[in-house]
Amino acid sequence: DSGVTQTPKHLITATGQRVTLRCSPRSGDLSVYWYQQSLDQGLQFLIQYYNGEERAKGNILERFSAQQFPDLHSELNLSSLELGDSALYFCASSAHGTSGRYEQYFGPGTRLTVT
Amino acid sequence: DQQVKQNSPSLSVQEGRISILNCDYTNSMFDYFLWYKKYPAEGPTFLISISSIKDKNEDGRFTVFLNKSAKHLSLHIVPSQPGDSAVYFCAASYANSGYALNFGKGTSLLVTP
Repeated sequence: DSGVTQTPKHLITATGQRVTLRCSPRSGDLSVYWYQQSLDQGLQFLIQYYNGEERAKGNILERFSAQQFPDLHSELNLSSLELGDSALYFCASSAHGTSGRYEQYFGPGTRLTVT
Repeated sequence: DQQVKQNSPSLSVQEGRISILNCDYTNSMFDYFLWYKKYPAEGPTFLISISSIKDKNEDGRFTVFLNKSAKHLSLHIVPSQPGDSAVYFCAASYANSGYALNFGKGTSLLVTP
């Protein structure tokens, strides 16, 4: 158990809909990252938040957005969903530099299926 | 473009022998490298990391070697155990990108009894 929790575990929705994925980081971690794993693209970085502020952006579509709340949990919002958005979405957290270490700990993921 | 490459999609090793997984990268800005183990439909599990100021890091049966001039790193597992069978991902990161991880496509390791 990494200490990172994600809900829901599975999500099935229709094209054009909007969904919200939730992540709670490990206790004490200020940094949260979101990744997408699809069959053809592998694991791709989407976005990072650090202590409530957006820190880095990767290959995140404009239809997607995220935020990190004062209690440090994060939400990833996916809108106008398309079939190609079906994937596993992972959240990871990091102590970000404590003792010179930058490893990330991943949650179990949310499997999104768009029909 | 793929900045982190794992050119071997699969590897089969006998129990007790050494497993060597390889990874190449192209971006000279990368300064922190990691290996993750992953089972299907689960999140990646952190195994071991190495900073660019080092060339070797050990943790139990796992050792990571970094060759900066060749832009190459490898993970050695000694001795290999059947429970090590999984997909192994190499990842690289750097400070200016918030240490976001750039992953390779993974190598599927099978350790046979």
